[in-house]
Amino acid sequence: EDQVTQSPEALRLQEGESSSLNCSYTVSGLRGLFWYRQDPGKGPEFLFTLYSAGEEKEKERLKATLTKKESFLHITAPKPEDSATYLCAVQPYLSNDYKLSFGAGTTVTVRA
Amino acid sequence: EPEVTQTPSHQVTQMGQEVILRCVPISNHLYFYWYRQILGQKVEFLVSFYNNEISEKSEIFDDQFSVERPDGSNFTLKIRSTKLEDSAMYFCASSGKETYEQYFGPGTRLTVT
Repeated sequence: EDQVTQSPEALRLQEGESSSLNCSYTVSGLRGLFWYRQDPGKGPEFLFTLYSAGEEKEKERLKATLTKKESFLHITAPKPEDSATYLCAVQPYLSNDYKLSFGAGTTVTVRA
Repeated sequence: EPEVTQTPSHQVTQMGQEVILRCVPISNHLYFYWYRQILGQKVEFLVSFYNNEISEKSEIFDDQFSVERPDGSNFTLKIRSTKLEDSAMYFCASSGKETYEQYFGPGTRLTVT
């Protein structure tokens, strides 16, 4: 069974204080690893897809990296508007199955 | 920018009643999904739908649940006889043929009393 574990559960940062979120996974063949942002009471908002170890993607202050067992989401010089829950999800490499298995998320709070 | 829409945003129903949650996926997408998120818990996969049939379903998706694409734009989730434990946020998602990224709607909050 696919397993996704995110750490820490919560992260409180001062504005400008860079940090990293971890997503470790166990899956029988990885098609893709996905990062989403979720604001309270809203749907997950797509951020990145990573497909192979060594791959990196960036968007504004966010950078996602992937190894064979884990992914990191680096937040550089965060602003209060980066406060959200960040979700990691894996998609196994099965022919007709594109379902996502999510981790519990890391809730990031950025103080001004 | 195209987006997934869902209606209603909030549905309150009594235990044992039937509910239908509606979704309009992104227009050129071919794969459709329902997920749910119980308050404070993980987002959980329910069902995926492609080419007018279910391609995958989870253990949660029992005989009380059904999905349908009644026309070229809507995608619905029906719960035949709601239970208290069905209270959750229900998210619809869609993805295109050339990409595996799933785009989520804003959700329907279902409250069963």
